[in-house]
Amino acid sequence: DVVMAQSPLSLPVTLGQPASISCKSSQSLVYSDGNTYLNWFQQRPGQSPRRLIYKVSNRDSGVPDRFSGSGSGIDFTLKISRVEAEDVGVYYCMQGTHWPLTFGQGTKLEIK
Amino acid sequence: EVQLVESGGGLVQPGGSLRLSCAASGFTFSDFQMNWVRQAPGKGLEWVSLINAAGSTTSYADSVKGRFTISRDNAKNSLYLQMDSLRDEDTAVYYCARERQMGYWGQGTLVTVSS
Repeated sequence: DVVMAQSPLSLPVTLGQPASISCKSSQSLVYSDGNTYLNWFQQRPGQSPRRLIYKVSNRDSGVPDRFSGSGSGIDFTLKISRVEAEDVGVYYCMQGTHWPLTFGQGTKLEIK
Repeated sequence: EVQLVESGGGLVQPGGSLRLSCAASGFTFSDFQMNWVRQAPGKGLEWVSLINAAGSTTSYADSVKGRFTISRDNAKNSLYLQMDSLRDEDTAVYYCARERQMGYWGQGTLVTVSS
C-alpha cells in the first residue's frame, strides 16, 4: 500500500499567520494518464470531511483562495496564507492513484 | 446541490450484520463511481470500498474483503454496504463519498459493534 506521511501532526498557528502541511507518499502518485491524484481534505470539529484541493493544486468550488496546494511526484504541500478561526480542524492528504486509496494520518490545526 | 445521505447505522453484536444505505441527489448518480470511507472514534480516515458507475466492478480494503459487499441501485439513486461478520474494530462512522477523488461526502452514519 502507498503510505502517506503527513507532517506536522499538530500545528498551532496564530490568527493571520501562514500555515503549511507536508505530505510525502511512499511512491510516485503520477497516474498512467499523466495526472497526479493527490487531494487535500478539511474536517472541522463534528463535521464530515470536505475536499479543498484536487489533483495537487486545483481548488474546489467555494474554497477560499488563501488555501493552495503544490508539489509533484511524492512530495506535496498544503498552504494557508493567513489562518482564520474557521480553519481549525484536521487536514488530510489522500492519494487516488494507486489501490487501495490511502489517506495521511491527519494534521490537527489549532489556534495559538 | 449534491446531497449524500447515509442511513442504517446502529448497535450490533460481534459477528452480526448490518446494511448501510446512501441516498444520492442533485447529480446523475449513474455517471459516478462511489465509495465508502470510515472513521473510527478519534481516528483518521480509512477507505473501505469503491464501486464503478455501472455497478459491475468493485474494490475493497483488505480489512473488509470477504466480509463487506458494496452495491448500488442506479434506478433508486442509492448506494449500499452490506456488512457481515462484524468485528469490534469495524466500529466507526461510515461515510459515502462521490467518485474516486471524493469530491462530495455525506454526513455519515455511526456503526457500533459491541456485546
